[in-house]
Amino acid sequence: KQEVTQIPAALSVPEGENLVLNCSFTDSAIYNLQWFRQDPGKGLTSLLLIQSSQREQTSGRLNASLDKSSGRSTLYIAASQPGDSATYLCAASSNTGKLIFGQGTTLQVKP
Amino acid sequence: GAGVSQSPSNKVTEKGKDVELRCDPISGHTALYWYRQSLGQGLEFLIYFQGNSAPDKSGLPSDRFSAERTGGSVSTLTIQRTQQEDSAVYLCASSLVGAGSSYNEQFFGPGTRLTVL
Repeated sequence: KQEVTQIPAALSVPEGENLVLNCSFTDSAIYNLQWFRQDPGKGLTSLLLIQSSQREQTSGRLNASLDKSSGRSTLYIAASQPGDSATYLCAASSNTGKLIFGQGTTLQVKP
Repeated sequence: GAGVSQSPSNKVTEKGKDVELRCDPISGHTALYWYRQSLGQGLEFLIYFQGNSAPDKSGLPSDRFSAERTGGSVSTLTIQRTQQEDSAVYLCASSLVGAGSSYNEQFFGPGTRLTVL
C-alpha cells in the first residue's frame, strides 16, 4: 500500500530565501508525482507533474525532482515571496490514476 | 477556458438526510475523480470514472456512498443517511487521460464543504 510522507509539516522563512520541501513515498511503482498548492479554504492548484520516466520539471521559480529508486521528490522554491505562503501537497499516482497524498507542508514566507 | 466546477460550494444538512454533490469536469476530460479532505484524514481518494464507468471504487467508505457519471461529463456523488463523520470537503478532479498514462495531470475544483449537524 502506497504511503506518502511530507517533511516538514510547517515551515516559516523570510522573504527571498530559497527553500526545499520534501516528499517521500513507499512504493516506487508510481506513474507520476504531482505537486499542488492549496490556499486556505480553496481547492488544489496543480504546480508541476513529473512523469515516472523524468527526473525533474521546472516552472518559473519552482523546480521539482523525482528519484524513484529512493522514493523521494523535492520541490525547490527559489527567491520565496509572501505570495508563496500556502500549503504544498505532493501526490503519487498509481496505475489506476488515483492520487495518494501526503499530509502537506504549510509554508509561511514573512515579508 | 473553464475549470472544474462543483456545486453547491457549501452544504449543511441534518444527520440522516441524503445529499447530492455535483461536479462539472473540464470539457473533453475523460477521467474524473472524487476525493474528500478532512482534518483527521487528509486528502483521500473515493472513486475514479473513465467515461461513464467506474473501474476503481475502492475509496468509497461505505455503501451509503455512491456516484454516477452521465454523458461522459457531469458526475454526482450521493451520500445517503448522512452521519457527522461525513463532514468534510469533497473535491472533484478531472484529467484529459486516465489510468495507465503517466501524464494524467489532475485539475481540481473548488470543492463542496459538507457539514452534517
